[in-house]
Amino acid sequence: EVRLVESGGGLVQPGGSLRLSCAASGFTVSSNYMTWVRQAPGKGLEWVSSIYSAGDTYYADSVKGRFTFSRDDSKSTLYLQMNSLRAEDTAVYYCARGAREHTSGWFYFDYWGQGTLVTVSS
Amino acid sequence: EIVLTQSPGTLSLSPGERATLSCRARQSVISNSLAWYQQKRGQAPRLLIYGASSRATGISDRFSGSGSGTDFTLTISRLEPEDFAVYYCQQYGSSPYTFGQGTKLEIK
Repeated sequence: EVRLVESGGGLVQPGGSLRLSCAASGFTVSSNYMTWVRQAPGKGLEWVSSIYSAGDTYYADSVKGRFTFSRDDSKSTLYLQMNSLRAEDTAVYYCARGAREHTSGWFYFDYWGQGTLVTVSS
Repeated sequence: EIVLTQSPGTLSLSPGERATLSCRARQSVISNSLAWYQQKRGQAPRLLIYGASSRATGISDRFSGSGSGTDFTLTISRLEPEDFAVYYCQQYGSSPYTFGQGTKLEIK
C-alpha cells in the first residue's frame, strides 16, 4: 500500500526556516517523480516543487531560491527545506507521488499525503 | 504559465442529479495532460481523472472526463451524498503545473 506521511510543520516567524519531511512507504522513492503542493487556508492548490528520479529539481517562481527539495533514498524520505519564510508561505503542504502517463510521458499526482500545516507569523 | 479557469464557482444540485464541471485553459494543454481531483473538507486531494479522460484506479464509473485543447469537462452522472466536495482541474504538461481555482459542489 502506498503511503505518504508529512511532518515538520509548525509556527515560524517571518524570515525563519523550517524543514518538512515526507516519509514514503509501499514504493521506491528513488525511482519515482515526487512533488510538493501547498494550499493556503481557504484557498486552492499551488504546485511548489518536484524532483525526478535522477535527482533534478524544479521550483515554482514563488519559492525559487528559498526552498530546496531533497530526498534520502536510504530512509525513503523526502525533504523540503524552507528558508526566508514569508507570511504568504502559510499553507498546508502536501507531498504527492507522480505517475507517468503512458501516452504523453508527463506526470500526474496519484497519491497524496495528509499534509502538514506551516504558519508564518510573528 | 497556463491559467485554468473553472466554472461554475459553486454548483448546487441534489443527489441523483447529473453534475457538469468545466475547466478552460487560456492556452492549449500539452498532450491533453489534464487531471481532475476531488477534495473533501480537511482531507488531501484525491485523483479522479488523468489524461483528460482516463479514470484513476478505484474511481467509480459515475465519474467521466472529456475535452481537449483548451476546454475540459468533468461529469458526475448520478450524484451520491459522498460526491459533494470541491473539485480541481490541473494541467501537468507544462511547468509550472497549474490548478484551477476549484468548483464547490454542494447539496441543494
